[in-house]
Amino acid sequence: GQNIDQPTEMTATEGAIVQINCTYQTSGFNGLFWYQQHAGEAPTFLSYNVLDGLEEKGRFSSFLSRSKGYSYLLLKELQMKDSASYLCAVRREDDSWGKLQFGAGTQVVVTP
Amino acid sequence: DAGVTQSPTHLIKTRGQQVTLRCSPKSGHDTVSWYQQALGQGPQFIFQYYEEEERQRGNFPDRFSGHQFPNYSSELNVNALLLGDSALYLCASSLGNSGRRGGQETQYFGPGTRLLVL
Repeated sequence: GQNIDQPTEMTATEGAIVQINCTYQTSGFNGLFWYQQHAGEAPTFLSYNVLDGLEEKGRFSSFLSRSKGYSYLLLKELQMKDSASYLCAVRREDDSWGKLQFGAGTQVVVTP
Repeated sequence: DAGVTQSPTHLIKTRGQQVTLRCSPKSGHDTVSWYQQALGQGPQFIFQYYEEEERQRGNFPDRFSGHQFPNYSSELNVNALLLGDSALYLCASSLGNSGRRGGQETQYFGPGTRLLVL
């Protein structure tokens, strides 16, 4: 089986930084994805990590530690449009065809 | 370059009815995955189609079935609808690896079909 845990909600101020943590337990690991989902819309791909370390993409960065079963998504210079749900998804080694296991999502609320 | 498209956008059905949802993958993609997303939850994997065959399946009953056509588009069929089937149904497309496991195979999602069962 597999558990993916992430906080339910986080609130931050425009211009600030927010870090969304994701922990997972899996019998095998073959990649971790972060998606952003605005209310009523489809998830959009943000990042992919399969090796330990930090991946940076503009204002967004994602970190992975496979030994700790831990990842975080860092959002810098927050903008109002960043208010959305952020989904952590893990692919197991046995599911390399592409099946993703999603967490419940973290709702980020950006305030003025 | 068209992204993933789904139809219809919204649907209302009653218990016991059957429904068919449709998906066209992103241009150049050959693999389609279907997910069910209940309110306030993350998407749950239903199944994946590649080369017109179901390649992998999640923990969903046989009432959920699908099909992939030669042009890579796909349908999701749900029979004997239950109230609990009310959800957002997402289609995701990706590029298969011609049978090779592994690789990033990022999935790109369509806008979804919101199904309400009364």
